[in-house]
Amino acid sequence: DGGITQSPKYLFRKEGQNVTLSCEQNLNHDAMYWYRQDPGQGLRLIYYSQIVNDFQKGDIAEGYSVSREKKESFPLTVTSAQKNPTAFYLCASSIGTGNAEAFFGQGTRLTVV
Amino acid sequence: LAKTTQPISMDSYEGQEVNITCSHNNIATNDYITWYQQFPSQGPRFIIQGYKTKVTNEVASLFIPADRKSSTLSLPRVSLSDTAVYYCLVGHNNAGNMLTFGGGTRLMVKP
Repeated sequence: DGGITQSPKYLFRKEGQNVTLSCEQNLNHDAMYWYRQDPGQGLRLIYYSQIVNDFQKGDIAEGYSVSREKKESFPLTVTSAQKNPTAFYLCASSIGTGNAEAFFGQGTRLTVV
Repeated sequence: LAKTTQPISMDSYEGQEVNITCSHNNIATNDYITWYQQFPSQGPRFIIQGYKTKVTNEVASLFIPADRKSSTLSLPRVSLSDTAVYYCLVGHNNAGNMLTFGGGTRLMVKP
């Protein structure tokens, strides 16, 4: 089946450790996105990528890093510089940007203790 | 990017029609209007998209007035399973344009 997959669903890390969240899509989409969602809040854009080997910062990129070495993969690293990393992280992909329909993964809930 | 404004929350009862309005006063000529639905602990799901007038699919209708400065998502005969957060997005398919979500409208459907 075609889709977008995030793993793992739940992730626990100790404070001060870097952690990488996986996002894979087999939809042949050019654009991919990472969002952060805090309880009761909307989605905030962390990074997005319109094409392989290119990505741009979103509204809250500080403390995060990404790579886009392959079209189907867009991993997000939450670094120790992120002051409040505990959140629900969502990955999405679309054919392009703007008005193209976006498809979301099921999310990764990261808890840092 | 066009900024959107939606009510924070709405309540309804099963079987009623629900209309959620989104304001986007600075919408650009080539912007489309898109609505997503999100259930707790899940990723948002595309509902409907339009440019002008009216669009209808099996899930909802989208009404856009001539000036396009607002839009209304209409959910006919809601059920408890329609309880979710609904997001209105405005944007166009142009290089460099991000997919930006606002705070959304939290719809609570009561029995």
